[in-house]
Amino acid sequence: QSALTQPPSASASPGQSVTISCTGTSSDVGDYNYVSWYQKHPGKAPKLMMYEVTKRPSGVPDRFSGSKSGNTASLTVSGLQAEDEAEYYCSSRGVFGGGTSLTVL
Amino acid sequence: EVQLVESGGGLVQPGGSLRLSCAASGFNFGRYWMTWVRQAPGKGPEWVANINGDERGKYYVDSVKGRFNISRDNAKGLLYLQMNNLTAEDTAVYYCARDLVGQQLVFDFWGQGTLATVSS
Repeated sequence: QSALTQPPSASASPGQSVTISCTGTSSDVGDYNYVSWYQKHPGKAPKLMMYEVTKRPSGVPDRFSGSKSGNTASLTVSGLQAEDEAEYYCSSRGVFGGGTSLTVL
Repeated sequence: EVQLVESGGGLVQPGGSLRLSCAASGFNFGRYWMTWVRQAPGKGPEWVANINGDERGKYYVDSVKGRFNISRDNAKGLLYLQMNNLTAEDTAVYYCARDLVGQQLVFDFWGQGTLATVSS
């Protein structure tokens, strides 16, 4: 399977919202509701932020939300905070995207 | 607190072998599928292999089949990845991760990773 497609970068100012997209095909993102998102800070372990498209693990702020339309899934971060600056990866059943570097301006 | 700590990475020549370990604590290790994910420099993560609690289920990405072997010791809380006949394309940070739900390949806890470098 090919990797999922993410924009390499995204940015927004503190307090604003930003949406990161993740595009796959009808065989992965479009076929299952098994899209997950991970946050990775340099030198730290990846952290699960969203799974099954819209479910937040315990401890993840509700500023993070997920959605899906067709073959594209999205992660939206509202009320951006400096600590949200990180690399974000989407995944569908073990196939990952290339990552999006989120910058908080 | 769930903790996963990888070890065993290092520099190895092409054709060589490495055995990675992951020490798990803070949860009932034997009840969970466990996974190895790797991330090559400048690339996104790649699922490598996973294993179920009783070792009857083992699955691998095509590129490592026949070369890598995943195993576990539930009594000691240890996950292993034996990597043989290594090539430069295997150079990556290797993470162990816990599967949230069976075979969904969603990983709710990760270690910090161990770097394996294959170079002459």
